[in-house]
Amino acid sequence: GQNIDQPTEMTATEGAIVQINCTYQTSGFNGLFWYQQHAGEAPTFLSYNVLDGLEEKGRFSSFLSRSKGYSYLLLKELQMKDSASYLCAVRSHNNAGNMLTFGGGTRLMVKP
Amino acid sequence: DTAVSQTPKYLVTQMGNDKSIKCEQNLGHDTMYWYKQDSKKFLKIMFSYNNKELIINETVPNRFSPKSPDKAHLNLHINSLELGDSAVYFCASSQDFGEDRGDYGYTFGSGTRLTVV
Repeated sequence: GQNIDQPTEMTATEGAIVQINCTYQTSGFNGLFWYQQHAGEAPTFLSYNVLDGLEEKGRFSSFLSRSKGYSYLLLKELQMKDSASYLCAVRSHNNAGNMLTFGGGTRLMVKP
Repeated sequence: DTAVSQTPKYLVTQMGNDKSIKCEQNLGHDTMYWYKQDSKKFLKIMFSYNNKELIINETVPNRFSPKSPDKAHLNLHINSLELGDSAVYFCASSQDFGEDRGDYGYTFGSGTRLTVV
């Protein structure tokens, strides 16, 4: 089976930096994704890591350590519009093909 | 322009009814999915189809039956609706590009909020 853990809620201040952690246990690891989901909307792709290290995309960066089963999403220069849920998702490969399993999401509240 | 479109956006129905949700993608992806997001916001995989063939069927009641007439469409039919079926249902699609190319994971539809009363 798969197990993906991330904090349920976080609060940060506008302009600050926040790091959202995700730990996972899986077999057939084939990539880790971060999605952003605003209330009442669909999840949208933020980042993808399959090799160890840091991927940077503007204000957002994502890190992966496969040996530790650990990833984080780093959000810099927080804006009010960054208030949303952030979903860590692990893709695994098995006989049935690739499957994306989601964590429960971290609800981030950005305060002025 | 919409990449993954699903209809209807809202569905309110009585217990015991049968309903369908439609999904279409114009991205040329080979694989389509149905996910259920409950009140606790957990997104759980229900079904996955690759080129019209069922490849993933998680522990979903038989009342749920997916149908894929072609690789651009994946519809979800639900029989004898129950109160516990109330949730947001997301359709998604993906294409496996391999580790050495850009990968954008899944593209999701806007969701169908199903309320069973």
